[in-house]
Amino acid sequence: KAGVTQTPRYLIKTRGQQVTLSCSPISGHRSVSWYQQTPGQGLQFLFEYFSETQRNKGNFPGRFSGRQFSNSRSEMNVSTLELGDSALYLCASSPTGRSDEKLFFGSGTQLSVL
Amino acid sequence: SQKIEQNSEALNIQEGKTATLTCNYTNYSPAYLQWYRQDPGRGPVFLLLIRENEKEKRKERLKVTFDTTLKQSLFHITASQPADSATYLCALENYGGSQGNLIFGKGTKLSVKP
Repeated sequence: KAGVTQTPRYLIKTRGQQVTLSCSPISGHRSVSWYQQTPGQGLQFLFEYFSETQRNKGNFPGRFSGRQFSNSRSEMNVSTLELGDSALYLCASSPTGRSDEKLFFGSGTQLSVL
Repeated sequence: SQKIEQNSEALNIQEGKTATLTCNYTNYSPAYLQWYRQDPGRGPVFLLLIRENEKEKRKERLKVTFDTTLKQSLFHITASQPADSATYLCALENYGGSQGNLIFGKGTKLSVKP
């Protein structure tokens, strides 16, 4: 079974630009969560999608958005990039998103904002 | 809201010794607690899940304990090896709030010296 795939692996953008990151979950997994990871803050929850619906959202500004498609693939978008958005963005999938399910993480997208 | 503290940012030990990592939480006791391993630039990988009615769980050289009275979980790696060097994250189920179904600690970076 293929793991969680995130593309691209690395991205360099400048302030004010926007970016779209992609995540393909494990086949059969319907829950996809996104996290932002920085050295100082650890893993911060962005949002979770289940069956194309956003089910939960973290404390991030509206510049951060996402969506999920009917095949469970998910994208997240960050508009008007700021220097502080530089981070490793991780997506994780699980069958239903229950808290007793283990999360399968992708390798992440390393975003650098210059 | 729930807060998680992992005992130290970094732990250095000698090969062959037992590494003990601590995860403390402040509020309600979760029904489940998970441990993940993360290597630099990669996504976390699930290691173990322990339920509140399980005092201890083992997997090969790994052992996790869960003490709801102390609000603490201990993660042990016996006969540690340099290959065990990584950051270890604990994660608790989250009741409500805006942090998703799992809240992650900031992790403890373990270095095992030969």
